[in-house]
Amino acid sequence: NAGVTQTPKFQVLKTGQSMTLQCAQDMNHNSMYWYRQDPGMGLRLIYYSASEGTTDKGEVPNGYNVSRLNKREFSLRLESAAPSQTSVYFCASIGGMGYEQYFGPGTRLTVT
Amino acid sequence: DAKTTQPPSMDCAEGRAANLPCNHSTISGNEYVYWYRQIHSQGPQYIIHGLKNNETNEMASLIITEDRKSSTLILPHATLRDTAVYYCIVRVVNAGNMLTFGGGTRLMVKP
Repeated sequence: NAGVTQTPKFQVLKTGQSMTLQCAQDMNHNSMYWYRQDPGMGLRLIYYSASEGTTDKGEVPNGYNVSRLNKREFSLRLESAAPSQTSVYFCASIGGMGYEQYFGPGTRLTVT
Repeated sequence: DAKTTQPPSMDCAEGRAANLPCNHSTISGNEYVYWYRQIHSQGPQYIIHGLKNNETNEMASLIITEDRKSSTLILPHATLRDTAVYYCIVRVVNAGNMLTFGGGTRLMVKP
């Protein structure tokens, strides 16, 4: 049971490049989330998926798109990366009771 | 979700109890109090949650006041590895409901 996994762990992009951050969970959780964390700041929600087939915007969705590929996988796409998107990105999932949210190890993204 | 207020930072001596306060004066009757922590650069880690009764697990204790307007997370014997940012969050338990992270309390455990 690996929990929540994220790939890649580190990424450097040039302004305007695109990339997809991958997230997978093996806990059979319905809900999955993408957060970003800027240096010295708390986490901010980008998008979430309450269940397979649904996605909703969070606090800071601009510049991002998501895909809930199946129950296990939830990807985050940056179509045209900007320096303001330099951040650490965390994926998370939550189980049926909603008590604990499990987080992945994060993807550290730098946009130059 | 109700807003929470936490002190930005606290120190604690190693081996002593760390008491982290949280104010949530606008909490509604169906909102739970959750605590998470984030050790440097890692993903946040669930610690404990409660509705109105005090709760204890292997990591910590959670004391919620009778009016539920504030709570305290207690780490009974803090170690250097407990140095982290601690987040108090109140939310309705709902599988689709996200967590809203505020600034948290940066706890520094000192030898």
